[in-house]
Amino acid sequence: EAGVTQSPRYAVLQEGQAVSFWCDPISGHDTLYWYQQPRDQGPQLLVYFRDEAVIDNSQLPSDRFSAVRPKGTNSTLKIQSAKQGDTATYLCASSFPGNQDTQYFGPGTRLLVL
Amino acid sequence: GDSVTQTEGQVTVSESKSLIINCTYSATSIGYPNLFWYVRYPGEGLQLLLKVITAGQKGSSRGFEATYNKEATSFHLQKASVQESDSAVYYCALRTQVVGQLTFGRGTRLQVYA
Repeated sequence: EAGVTQSPRYAVLQEGQAVSFWCDPISGHDTLYWYQQPRDQGPQLLVYFRDEAVIDNSQLPSDRFSAVRPKGTNSTLKIQSAKQGDTATYLCASSFPGNQDTQYFGPGTRLLVL
Repeated sequence: GDSVTQTEGQVTVSESKSLIINCTYSATSIGYPNLFWYVRYPGEGLQLLLKVITAGQKGSSRGFEATYNKEATSFHLQKASVQESDSAVYYCALRTQVVGQLTFGRGTRLQVYA
């Protein structure tokens, strides 16, 4: 069974540039999460979906960040105008229906904003 | 909000010695949280090591154990005899039924040397 896949693995941007991250969850997982993990900190939830619906995006900086999961499978997280403070690893995770306790994480995308 | 505090930075232990990584939590939501230890081995994604959802119970996996102590609000991770292959970053986390999302600690890097 394939795990959660993410691309790209690395991204380097100048401030003000845009970037998109892509996530393919494990087949059959209805819930998909995006986390931001700054260096030397734990992952912090940005947004999560159940199927195509956003369940919680209260921690997503809505002025510059957006996330979609249009068909309830793959998902894209976009930063419109990156800032140095966005430098972090962006993790995608997914979980089985009815089991949010066990989340399966992808390898992450490491973003550096210069 | 909910928070998790764990042993900070790096812990260095000689192979076959015992280990404890401290974790305490604060959950402001109603009800007792579910508690977890996640681990990230070098070159791999974050994965669940063990979880306990009932206060007073102990979880175990790969020789690691953690007991849910609701009086002390603690969930320390212990192992009697570590191996080099245990070298990884360990994250304590909680999830409350109301909030639904995982809240992680900052992570503890374990380095085991021969």
